[in-house]
Amino acid sequence: AQTVTQSQPEMSVQEAETVTLSCTYDTSESDYYLFWYKQPPSRQMILVIRQEAYKQQNATENRFSVNFQKAAKSFSLKISDSQLGDAAMYFCAYRRLMNYGGSQGNLIFGKGTKLSVKP
Amino acid sequence: KAGVTQTPRYLIKTRGQQVTLSCSPISGHRSVSWYQQTPGQGLQFLFEYFSETQRNKGNFPGRFSGRQFSNSRSEMNVSTLELGDSALYLCASSYTGLNTEAFFGQGTRLTVV
Repeated sequence: AQTVTQSQPEMSVQEAETVTLSCTYDTSESDYYLFWYKQPPSRQMILVIRQEAYKQQNATENRFSVNFQKAAKSFSLKISDSQLGDAAMYFCAYRRLMNYGGSQGNLIFGKGTKLSVKP
Repeated sequence: KAGVTQTPRYLIKTRGQQVTLSCSPISGHRSVSWYQQTPGQGLQFLFEYFSETQRNKGNFPGRFSGRQFSNSRSEMNVSTLELGDSALYLCASSYTGLNTEAFFGQGTRLTVV
């Protein structure tokens, strides 16, 4: 079974600084997706960034980038120029590469990292 | 374009009762998944529906059930509620096909007393 581990329950960063959130996962499959989701106090899960395992290039979305190390099964999120609005719970998630009968497959989440941003 | 809508937002029920939660996906999305979020267990997958059929199921007891209607709206039902069922229930919808992302609703906060 696949598992996702986030070893940092809480992190703190100064506004405008850079912070890296860690995530490791375990799978025997070679093709899959990895995601970082943000959950602010409003509770709605918002996709931050996505990485396809078959792509060697690390994904980037504006101030958010990942360091994807497939062999090490590591998928960290780097937030540059941190803003107050970045404060939230961040969840790392894994999804198998599958689509049969319309099924998307389920997301497997880590326990989350609570990020605080200090002004 | 409207997002994923979950109703109600908050719910308080008594042990032993049953509850039904509703999820309206984004227009055009045919896949709907449900997740339970608790402080202890985190986010756990309940089930996934596509074309009114359950395609995928997590490890939850039979008290948890769901269905999907022809307009892709989905409901989940929990019977004989237990205190441990208190949680945030999140619904996510997506297009079919590979390489698609899941869009989440704001959830229903269920409290069992």
